[in-house]
Amino acid sequence: KAGVTQTPRYLIKTRGQQVTLSCSPISGHRSVSWYQQTPGQGLQFLFEYFSETQRNKGNFPGRFSGRQFSNSRSEMNVSTLELGDSALYLCASSRDSAFEAFFGQGTRLTVV
Amino acid sequence: EDQVTQSPEALRLQEGESSSLNCSYTVSGLRGLFWYRQDPGKGPEFLFTLYSAGEEKEKERLKATLTKKESFLHITAPKPEDSATYLCAVQGSGNTGKLIFGQGTTLQVKP
Repeated sequence: KAGVTQTPRYLIKTRGQQVTLSCSPISGHRSVSWYQQTPGQGLQFLFEYFSETQRNKGNFPGRFSGRQFSNSRSEMNVSTLELGDSALYLCASSRDSAFEAFFGQGTRLTVV
Repeated sequence: EDQVTQSPEALRLQEGESSSLNCSYTVSGLRGLFWYRQDPGKGPEFLFTLYSAGEEKEKERLKATLTKKESFLHITAPKPEDSATYLCAVQGSGNTGKLIFGQGTTLQVKP
């Protein structure tokens, strides 16, 4: 079966711009979570959505936001980009919390 | 606060040389402990989920075990293709949908 699909794979943006990343979960999975991965901080949780509702949120500024659609697809948005936002952004889907989460290949965001 | 510590940070093995990776955790009400493998530039690949102390799971050359304070990933007779970063994560009862990851162990297996 198809895995988690993230688009785009690579992005280069300028400071101050905003960006939207997309994630299509595995068919039948209703939970989608987002993570930021950097060499210094590792994988850090951004937020999790289940049936279009945000159930949990990590310690990131309000510039980071997300949403989930009725077909479980999810988007995350970062406004007013900063150099420190350069990272690999990963999306994971699962049937529900505490079940195994499957990750996409990620979107590599570079802010210049 | 939920926390995960992995050791060692890096491990070099000769092909066929078995070893273990450690994942120590503190969590309020463990809902699950997860092991992933990550290759450079790719997303983590799911390996195992463990839910309660004493549980063990195996897949090819890998075996994961769980106690109340730590988990081990045993690698038996590794091959060069096992080279990757291995990540451990936990989910606590107070954190729906949130995985807390360790920093990972980077394994290099030389032929």
